[in-house]
Amino acid sequence: GQQLNQSPQSMFIQEGEDVSMNCTSSSIFNTWLWYKQEPGEGPVLLIALYKAGELTSNGRLTAQFGITRKDSFLNISASIPSDVGIYFCAGRSQANSKLTFGKGITLSVRP
Amino acid sequence: DTEVTQTPKHLVMGMTNKKSLKCEQHMGHRAMYWYKQKAKKPPELMFVYSYEKLSINESVPSRFSPECPNSSLLNLHLHALQPEDSALYLCASSQPGRGTEAFFGQGTRLTVV
Repeated sequence: GQQLNQSPQSMFIQEGEDVSMNCTSSSIFNTWLWYKQEPGEGPVLLIALYKAGELTSNGRLTAQFGITRKDSFLNISASIPSDVGIYFCAGRSQANSKLTFGKGITLSVRP
Repeated sequence: DTEVTQTPKHLVMGMTNKKSLKCEQHMGHRAMYWYKQKAKKPPELMFVYSYEKLSINESVPSRFSPECPNSSLLNLHLHALQPEDSALYLCASSQPGRGTEAFFGQGTRLTVV
């Protein structure tokens, strides 16, 4: 089946630093999504990408849909303590198909 | 209103109990989903309703029974669960097709004792 690869499993950064997360796949996706989940909460949609090469920002977050349609990255600039959480990438290969989730990256921010 | 509301937030039930999880959205979305999530793992799809009809059942055991009474409500009926069914159960909604992505509720933390 389709799989999305996110690594490493955990990242530790200093407050104020920028961080980049990648998500890769062996198959093509037509939609890439980035979610953040905090303890005890459901995932919150951060950014949705629909076109190869698309670059979209949401505040300090920027995400790009890879040209090959097999990858996406998420950048967080000037990190703050509330950026702590698990970041999941998710992809959809075609309209109305199921979302495939990556395993998630747990981000820790040291004050 | 961009919320998906789930009740209860926490539930503890015995293996012989019958309980229900509820989910409500008022965004006009016509696709609703149940996911199961174990700690530090991604959500796993269980069921999808599209236009109030069950469109996907990911081979979920029959002790989980979904119901979609109308376009705003989604229930998950639970009966004779096992301790390994303890997890965070997430409801999500979206508009079928591209352009409206899945919005998740806060989840129900279920513990089976």
